[in-house]
Amino acid sequence: GQNIDQPTEMTATEGAIVQINCTYQTSGFNGLFWYQQHAGEAPTFLSYNVLDGLEEKGRFSSFLSRSKGYSYLLLKELQMKDSASYLCAGQGTAGNKLTFGGGTRVLVKP
Amino acid sequence: GAVVSQHPSWVICKSGTSVKIECRSLDFQATTMFWYRQFPKQSLMLMATSNEGSKATYEQGVEKDKFLINHASLTLSTLTVTSAHPEDSSFYICSASALAAGVHEQYFGPGTRLTVT
Repeated sequence: GQNIDQPTEMTATEGAIVQINCTYQTSGFNGLFWYQQHAGEAPTFLSYNVLDGLEEKGRFSSFLSRSKGYSYLLLKELQMKDSASYLCAGQGTAGNKLTFGGGTRVLVKP
Repeated sequence: GAVVSQHPSWVICKSGTSVKIECRSLDFQATTMFWYRQFPKQSLMLMATSNEGSKATYEQGVEKDKFLINHASLTLSTLTVTSAHPEDSSFYICSASALAAGVHEQYFGPGTRLTVT
């Protein structure tokens, strides 16, 4: 299975930019998902990367380097509602099972 | 589209009783559903993979006789926590897998909060 590592917590100011890094084992890797989860709610899909490079979706962007086993989620123009946990999840080549990282709690301050 | 529901959204039960949680894909068919457990301030831990018409595949350390999974149709999977104990209190989340633009994406249900007293 995948070992997914990401920081536990990050704090940023409203309007700023925050980058959440995620590293994973490259063997048996197919693609990488990012999810947002507010407390007490289910995760919601943010992005999926399978090829190297940057995928941009409005204020959120996600980057993947397959050779380095590295991804990041970039949140721009932070808003208070962006305070949540961000989960990095690797999808293996055997089936469509996901392995989640521990999640990064982002706190946006005024 | 791609809506997944769970029922109940929360449940309180006494120690020793069994609780059934339903997971439904409302507007699509899902041959595969997943069951996760999440403890406070922790990430999602996969419990089992549920395939329609066949036995579920459990992750290491998850007792299959305690967490019974039935995937009776392409839109319904159930998780029964048997002989529940306080340590089973957790947030249980299901997801249903569908192929979208070549990607096996998982759509998550809203979760079920189980409290065992």
